[in-house]
Amino acid sequence: EVQLLESGGGLVQPGGSLRLSCAASGFTFSSYALGWVRQAPGKGLEWVSSFSGNGGSTYYADSVKGRFTISRDNSKSTLYLQMNSLRAEDTAVYYCAKGLYASGSYTGFDPWGPGTLVTVSS
Amino acid sequence: QSVLTQPPSASGTPGQRVTISCSGSSSNIEFNTVSWYQQLPGTAPKLLIYSNNQRPSGVPDRFSGSKSGTSASLAISGLQSEDEADYYCASWDGSLNGVFGGGTKLTVL
Repeated sequence: EVQLLESGGGLVQPGGSLRLSCAASGFTFSSYALGWVRQAPGKGLEWVSSFSGNGGSTYYADSVKGRFTISRDNSKSTLYLQMNSLRAEDTAVYYCAKGLYASGSYTGFDPWGPGTLVTVSS
Repeated sequence: QSVLTQPPSASGTPGQRVTISCSGSSSNIEFNTVSWYQQLPGTAPKLLIYSNNQRPSGVPDRFSGSKSGTSASLAISGLQSEDEADYYCASWDGSLNGVFGGGTKLTVL
């Protein structure tokens, strides 16, 4: 069974940093794209970033480009999201999701983890 | 303001057929595939449709997707009370961004 579990969320002050992790199991981790999607309280889904499988490319939403960095450790089957210069508008539940294919330029994600809450506030 | 446009709400009675639209542009839906997600209250989204009209295993055939030009639609037939949820469309954009619709809240009357 494919499983994803996010961790690393919490309360951080504006301008601060946080690193999210997503531990994966049940599939050949290196072969698939992975992505982060967030959902602000009471709002809709927003794609944040994707990392292609098989040593491929990275993609970022304009709203996080230059502040967030996606990375993956295939030996640990873990996806990361390093978030710097955090703003109040980054407050959201962050979901990790497995892509259907190796390509990162695709928005078919299945399954999704349960999410981790990031709160940016002073 | 979402790149893909969905109606904020939809409703139907049990057994009815409901459709949810998703409008995009030539930089996203027209030349990229569309996925649809269902989000039940307090849970993570679940993939319902990928590649415009394909259902993952386990998704009932009551759910179907279609695409034409710059728009896509999700149809739910034989509406059931457990279908009450938020529904989102998604696609890839030529600006190298993933894009989601604003979501449609489906109410089963």
